[in-house]
Amino acid sequence: EVQLLESGGGLVQSGGSLRLSCAASGFTFSRYAMSWVRQAPGKGLEWVSAISEDAVSTHYADFAKGRFTISRDNSKNTLYLQMNGLRAEDTALYYCVKDGELGFDYWGQGTLLTVSS
Amino acid sequence: SYVLTQPPSMSVAPGKTATITCGGNNFGGKNVYWYKQKPGQAPVAVIHYQSDRPSGIPERFSGSKSGNTATLTISRVEAGDEADYYCQVWDSSINQILFGGGTKLTVL
Repeated sequence: EVQLLESGGGLVQSGGSLRLSCAASGFTFSRYAMSWVRQAPGKGLEWVSAISEDAVSTHYADFAKGRFTISRDNSKNTLYLQMNGLRAEDTALYYCVKDGELGFDYWGQGTLLTVSS
Repeated sequence: SYVLTQPPSMSVAPGKTATITCGGNNFGGKNVYWYKQKPGQAPVAVIHYQSDRPSGIPERFSGSKSGNTATLTISRVEAGDEADYYCQVWDSSINQILFGGGTKLTVL
């Protein structure tokens, strides 16, 4: 059974930093690209960043460029998102998502980030 | 930049057909995906490659794409179909993934 377990969310002050983690199991982690998708309270889905299976390629939404860094450790089956310079508008539930051959086929339950201004 | 436009909400009676649209500048060769999200739950894929259903998704769900519009059609709507629905594409020109704003489907 595929499981994606996010952690690391919490309350942080504006301008602060935080690192999210996603522990993956139930599939061969090193064979799949992964993404982070966020959802602000009461709002829609917003893609944040993606990383290739071998970590060679990374892509970011415009709002994440220069502030967020996606990475992965295939030996630990773990995906990360380092977030710096956090703003109130970054407050959201952050989902870890497996990018299968047919799109986003598995989603975690999310970890909540709250940025206080 | 590329924008996907969905109607914010729509309502349909049980047993009827719901048609949710997703408008883009020009879908061209972009693959379109659709996700269903119920309150308090993570999204679930219901359509990939604009018209294919993942395993476990009822045949009542179908998708299509033509010109500047992708469409998710839900036939014989049931109460359990009430949810938010999002379209999504990969924009290879800027290497970014885009979601539509979402459509809240209410079953009357």
